[in-house]
Amino acid sequence: SQTIHQWPATLVQPVGSPLSLECTVEGTSNPNLYWYRQAAGRGLQLLFYSVGIGQISSEVPQNLSASRPQDRQFILSSKKLLLSDSGFYLCAWSGGLAGLGSTDTQYFGPGTRLTVL
Amino acid sequence: GQNIDQPTEMTATEGAIVQINCTYQTSGFNGLFWYQQHAGEAPTFLSYNVLDGLEEKGRFSSFLSRSKGYSYLLLKELQMKDSASYLCAVRDDSSASKIIFGSGTRLSIRP
Repeated sequence: SQTIHQWPATLVQPVGSPLSLECTVEGTSNPNLYWYRQAAGRGLQLLFYSVGIGQISSEVPQNLSASRPQDRQFILSSKKLLLSDSGFYLCAWSGGLAGLGSTDTQYFGPGTRLTVL
Repeated sequence: GQNIDQPTEMTATEGAIVQINCTYQTSGFNGLFWYQQHAGEAPTFLSYNVLDGLEEKGRFSSFLSRSKGYSYLLLKELQMKDSASYLCAVRDDSSASKIIFGSGTRLSIRP
């Protein structure tokens, strides 16, 4: 079966510090991968998505970046965090060669709760 | 533009039935999803509709009308654990990889 991991689960960082969040998927090959951010009490904002190694599409211009160094690894980074970067960061996957019913359905990892002080 | 509308909050009684509506306006359409999200947790997949009609899955059903840009999620025999946010999301066929999420409906169940 497919599983998706994110770490860390929670993070408290000072303004101006760097950030690295990691997401890995097991049990499938060539998945589409996504990073979302959810502010408190709000909907999901798509930040980045990737359809393959080294292929990153950015949805919202900001001080964040994403990379996909391996097929099942997706990394969200920042060189200098802002207060507005606080939120719940969710990684998701879809598609791939796992043979699931709908290849369009996105499945989410457990999330990272980031607080920037 | 892309727009997905759903009520912000709803309240229902344990054991009753509740219907959560979602309307969408997107440049294309290739499927609608419903997700459940408990407070502080990640969303979990509930249902997927791509053709008109009703899809039933246990206590949960989801309906789609593509001509009206409308969907609803029906929850029967409500339980306290159904208290959560319910997210409507649409796959816009302008991109094979992206889905657009609504802001979610926070459902509270009272005894």
